Amino acid sequence: SAVISQKPSRDICQRGTSLTIQCQVDSQVTMMFWYRQQPGQSLTLIATANQGSEATYESGFVIDKFPISRPNLTFSTLTVSNMSPEDSSIYLCSVAPSYNEQFFGPGTRLTVL
Amino acid sequence: DQQVKQNSPSLSVQEGRISILNCDYTNSMFDYFLWYKKYPAEGPTFLISISSIKDKNEDGRFTVFLNKSAKHLSLHIVPSQPGDSAVYFCAAIPGSGNTGKLIFGQGTTLQVKP
Repeated sequence: SAVISQKPSRDICQRGTSLTIQCQVDSQVTMMFWYRQQPGQSLTLIATANQGSEATYESGFVIDKFPISRPNLTFSTLTVSNMSPEDSSIYLCSVAPSYNEQFFGPGTRLTVL
Repeated sequence: DQQVKQNSPSLSVQEGRISILNCDYTNSMFDYFLWYKKYPAEGPTFLISISSIKDKNEDGRFTVFLNKSAKHLSLHIVPSQPGDSAVYFCAAIPGSGNTGKLIFGQGTTLQVKP
């Protein structure tokens, strides 16, 4: 399994501001993923981040709102831009070392006022 | 359109007994299924997976059963322990070309009473 850390673990932000969430993995991985879990909801994939290429976004998510960086094989960032209260969620990064395995970070709990 | 459904929001069982968590899906092209456990303020922890070409996979106290004709899978925990109390998610991998994309159910909160 992979050990994944995220920063910050939680934050409270004002409407209209942006927050960048960092994800660090203890081993090199090709694919990293960003998920969102809204209150009372399930996890939903935001985008896939591959090193050296543009992130691939799922339907309903756009780069202007959720820009992603993937500068190397152990690190990624997700920015939540121009935040509104509807962006209050838990944001999780994950890695898939093999096709049928995926491991998640501890999550970043975001509250937007 | 919920492709993976966990119709029981919660389940309560006595310590030592069996816990059975259910999951239904709609897409016959899903080729792998995974189960996760999630404690509050933590990320999901991978428990066990099963390929669509199998009908059973076992790992210690955890066994997953897959019924493809019914598009149904279940996770059995035997014996249940108080530390198993958590939210359990089933998830599906849509198929080739979708590496890493997981489609999650809504989750079932399991409470194991001492």
